[in-house]
Amino acid sequence: GENVEQHPSTLSVQEGDSAVIKCTYSDSASNYFPWYKQELGKRPQLIIDIRSNVGEKKDQRIAVTLNKTAKHFSLHITETQPEDSAVYFCAASDSNRLAFGKGNQVVVIP
Amino acid sequence: DTAVSQTPKYLVTQMGNDKSIKCEQNLGHDTMYWYKQDSKKFLKIMFSYNNKELIINETVPNRFSPKSPDKAHLNLHINSLELGDSAVYFCASRDRGTNYGYTFGSGTRLTVV
Repeated sequence: GENVEQHPSTLSVQEGDSAVIKCTYSDSASNYFPWYKQELGKRPQLIIDIRSNVGEKKDQRIAVTLNKTAKHFSLHITETQPEDSAVYFCAASDSNRLAFGKGNQVVVIP
Repeated sequence: DTAVSQTPKYLVTQMGNDKSIKCEQNLGHDTMYWYKQDSKKFLKIMFSYNNKELIINETVPNRFSPKSPDKAHLNLHINSLELGDSAVYFCASRDRGTNYGYTFGSGTRLTVV
């Protein structure tokens, strides 16, 4: 089955700086790569996603890049704000299920 | 209107008891899931149903039994609860045909004492 690795496990950034989280996946059949943000005590929420026929996608301060050949994808958050502090999960999917990475705790220091 | 709703939100129970968690989605999705999130935040899939048919059954103790009376509902029954069952359980749904991301429920925090 699909195996998703996510690093680093924790990331502290100064407010206004950029944050980058990287993930790798194992199954070349995976074709959909969402990112979820989970605030303390809340549900994971989809923040951005990318499909395997696209190399990059941007939504305001958030962008995701995908390298199919290397089987890795990354989340970029620019101009970080305190409300960006959360756990971020990457995932990879074929048609049956999402396999999640172990999560990355991002702390934005005011 | 809540898209994916779970009840109860909190559940505190003694070891050995049997309990159920209910999940309902009003998104018209055809596939529903149960995930367990442990104290280290790892999201581990347990079960998946597509149009009432079980399609994913991970290595989960037999004490856990899912039931899907229709494609909008997926319930989780747990027998003989153990301390290690304490976790947050998330229900999720998606439209398998479009292969988009899940919509998660708000979670059920289960504490076994």
